[in-house]
Amino acid sequence: SQQGEEDPQALSIQEGENATMNCSYKTSINNLQWYRQNSGRGLVHLILIRSNEREKHSGRLRVTLDTSKKSSSLLITASRAADTASYFCATDGRMDSSYKLIFGSGTRLLVRP
Amino acid sequence: EAQVTQNPRYLITVTGKKLTVTCSQNMNHEYMSWYRQDPGLGLRQIYYSMNVEVTDKGDVPEGYKVSRKEKRNFPLILESPSPNQTSLYFCASSHTGGTRRYEQYFGPGTRLTVT
Repeated sequence: SQQGEEDPQALSIQEGENATMNCSYKTSINNLQWYRQNSGRGLVHLILIRSNEREKHSGRLRVTLDTSKKSSSLLITASRAADTASYFCATDGRMDSSYKLIFGSGTRLLVRP
Repeated sequence: EAQVTQNPRYLITVTGKKLTVTCSQNMNHEYMSWYRQDPGLGLRQIYYSMNVEVTDKGDVPEGYKVSRKEKRNFPLILESPSPNQTSLYFCASSHTGGTRRYEQYFGPGTRLTVT
């Protein structure tokens, strides 16, 4: 069964606005990662947050992790048209290898110019 | 340029005709993995390899084989393809040590259609 579930499934915003995507998962994890996929292309790693971290920043990206609620959020600030893509969270299982990732079904983000 | 390459990028074949999708990485990564991506199902892991001659099943291994004879290559073999293996396939790799372990680099994808 899927480990991560993103919410919303689709999001449309105006350029310059912030975009927030959420991910919920079912079992304990070691790490949670976020990836971006432009239409039909390979995924690109954005950020990794460890289970003992609560927040992490990378440029315009901010990721939070709440292990008590088994959820994470990805915030993209000051969005640009080039941010249009699908965004996936990927979790491992604490009892499994941290390389055995389980991906959610993704959030499709459209940033309108 | 650091990259993961896959060939072919597009393939249309018929049921039962054996095929191989190649994957190669030039980053000296120990870990390599194959995923399939289907609408509404996200990415699902088929097989992964922690190093040469070490492979293990992912979540959907049925109908697939892999081998890891060299560190840089990790081919995906479909011995007898069926229409339900029509999908978009991705190869990925990462280091198993250092500060950036676990971060996976993905290939451009192979779109496979089995008729």
